[in-house]
Amino acid sequence: QQQVKQSPQSLIVQKGGISIINCAYENTAFDYFPWYQQFPGKGPALLIAIRPDVSEKKEGRFTISFNKSAKQFSLHIMDSQPGDSATYFCAASIDSSASKIIFGSGTRLSIRP
Amino acid sequence: EAGVAQSPRYKIIEKRQSVAFWCNPISGHATLYWYQQILGQGPKLLIQFQNNGVVDDSQLPKDRFSAERLKGVDSTLKIQPAKLEDSAVYLCASSLGSLYQPQHFGDGTRLSIL
Repeated sequence: QQQVKQSPQSLIVQKGGISIINCAYENTAFDYFPWYQQFPGKGPALLIAIRPDVSEKKEGRFTISFNKSAKQFSLHIMDSQPGDSATYFCAASIDSSASKIIFGSGTRLSIRP
Repeated sequence: EAGVAQSPRYKIIEKRQSVAFWCNPISGHATLYWYQQILGQGPKLLIQFQNNGVVDDSQLPKDRFSAERLKGVDSTLKIQPAKLEDSAVYLCASSLGSLYQPQHFGDGTRLSIL
């Protein structure tokens, strides 16, 4: 019940295309859903986060879509660029009680020029 | 602002040896986390400190791993004795600790066990 399931494991997208990564969770107590971006040899960096009281959050080319009833959320990267090539992790936590973040297994994204 | 500092960046040891990692969080961050990231997986929390007290160490293998955060600032994570399955990147993160505050990660220490 503490798991966050992420798919796909890897993704190849043409430059300018839309990259979509999906995640699902079971624990309805989760109330904070961040996405992290990790480049090789670097630590994860917060990209964008959402709380379950909204269905969508957009920051630049990055959008989180959240479906509370289905317990699913996804990251959309519009106009994908080669510099977006990285590993992306979805995550969840019960932030209202400062609990630990549970990370998904990651998606390795490659943007073809 | 300066980020989370970790050292060393790389460490190679033989199994059954001991190793220690050091972390200096962002100034003013009350909460400090140690994660283990095995190749191809997401980070897994090992231990969480709030100031110098332990909040969660439920996934820390306490027979071989130990961590401390003296004076509520720097922290060290130790493994003794190391096993082959401990090969991973050890990440330190810090946050302000209040509601919905992001965790800021260091670049980690890559540990290889021979």
